[in-house]
Amino acid sequence: EAGVTQSPTHLIKTRGQQATLRCSPISGHTSVYWYQQALGLGLQFLLWYDEGEERNRGNFPPRFSGRQFPNYSSELNVNALELEDSALYLCASSLASFGTDTQYFGPGTRLTVL
Amino acid sequence: AQTVTQSQPEMSVQEAETVTLSCTYDTSESDYYLFWYKQPPSRQMILVIRQEAYKQQNATENRFSVNFQKAAKSFSLKISDSQLGDAAMYFCAYRSDKTGANNLFFGTGTRLTVIP
Repeated sequence: EAGVTQSPTHLIKTRGQQATLRCSPISGHTSVYWYQQALGLGLQFLLWYDEGEERNRGNFPPRFSGRQFPNYSSELNVNALELEDSALYLCASSLASFGTDTQYFGPGTRLTVL
Repeated sequence: AQTVTQSQPEMSVQEAETVTLSCTYDTSESDYYLFWYKQPPSRQMILVIRQEAYKQQNATENRFSVNFQKAAKSFSLKISDSQLGDAAMYFCAYRSDKTGANNLFFGTGTRLTVIP
């Protein structure tokens, strides 16, 4: 069974541009989570999507947004990129939105903002 | 908000020996879940073990076991018979049982080196 996949592996953008990151969950999983892993800041929760709806978001500005498609894959969009947005962006999926369910992570997208 | 603390930025262990990684957390909730994830240089976060707070029995997965002390809000990971492949960053994580609060809160990680 395929795990969580993310694309692209690496992404280089310049300040002010927009970045789009993609995530495909494990087959059968309906919940998708996005986390940012920045140097010195650790792993921080960004967004949670379930059944096509945004269910929760972390303490990030509105230029971080996303969506979940009918096939449960997801996109993370970062507008007006800033240097401090450089980080590893991890996507995770879970079978359902129950508290009992475990999140499984993808390999991440390394975003570099120049 | 919940906080997770890993007080050991780095640890090392001889191959085949045992090592314990520490984790403490702060919460006012009674029902929650705790996890240990491993992140090798390949960057993929891999679930090592999970513990439900309502379970008194400590979780075990092969060479990995936890010591869950709910009253002390402590959740340490023991790795027995350490192998070279265990070298990685280890993150402790907390997840609430409240509806709508599914996100994980992570500690800052412990980098484990395995010495041949």
